[in-house]
Amino acid sequence: EAQVTQNPRYLITVTGKKLTVTCSQNMNHEYMSWYRQDPGLGLRQIYYSMNVEVTDKGDVPEGYKVSRKEKRNFPLILESPSPNQTSLYFCASSSTGYEQYFGPGTRLTVT
Amino acid sequence: AQSVAQPEDQVNVAEGNPLTVKCTYSVSGNPYLFWYVQYPNRGLQFLLKYITGDNLVKGSYGFEAEFNKSQTSFHLKKPSALVSDSALYFCAVRDRNNAGNMLTFGGGTRLMVKP
Repeated sequence: EAQVTQNPRYLITVTGKKLTVTCSQNMNHEYMSWYRQDPGLGLRQIYYSMNVEVTDKGDVPEGYKVSRKEKRNFPLILESPSPNQTSLYFCASSSTGYEQYFGPGTRLTVT
Repeated sequence: AQSVAQPEDQVNVAEGNPLTVKCTYSVSGNPYLFWYVQYPNRGLQFLLKYITGDNLVKGSYGFEAEFNKSQTSFHLKKPSALVSDSALYFCAVRDRNNAGNMLTFGGGTRLMVKP
């Protein structure tokens, strides 16, 4: 089954404790992105990648890092999480850069 | 810079009636436009896109949208709403001149279809 998977689905952590949210797609897509969803603000793009070793900043990259060492994986790294990074995070992939396939989401709470 | 506005936080419609969810956009060049739907506790699902060609585009589940360049709008429509259409709808834009994959979403509109 073609899909985008994210892990973990739910995470509660404390300020400053480094964490990684994994994202993997099995559709051989070139494009991958990370978004955060906050009430009233819609989805805002954090980072995107057009191919292996090619990443670029989206609208809200501060406090986040990404890497794209393999085509299928695009992990999101929070080196020192803060409470304002409490949010719902979505990974997405696309073959064309047009329609995107979204993962199920990761709900992160930073206390 | 590119932006999307969805002026209505919520749209209420009776089952069987037509529905419209509004979207206006701003880009420096020509746009690629998209609609996505989000059901509770789920990720977003692609509904339809405008890339080029006919201004009226048809998508999944009987939805359609009309690209209006002069009004910079891309409103989502359906002739007859179903209760199962109740969900959160997002409009998104990408600048055609943007070589990357910068996609900007609107704030979302909650559609409530009542029996």
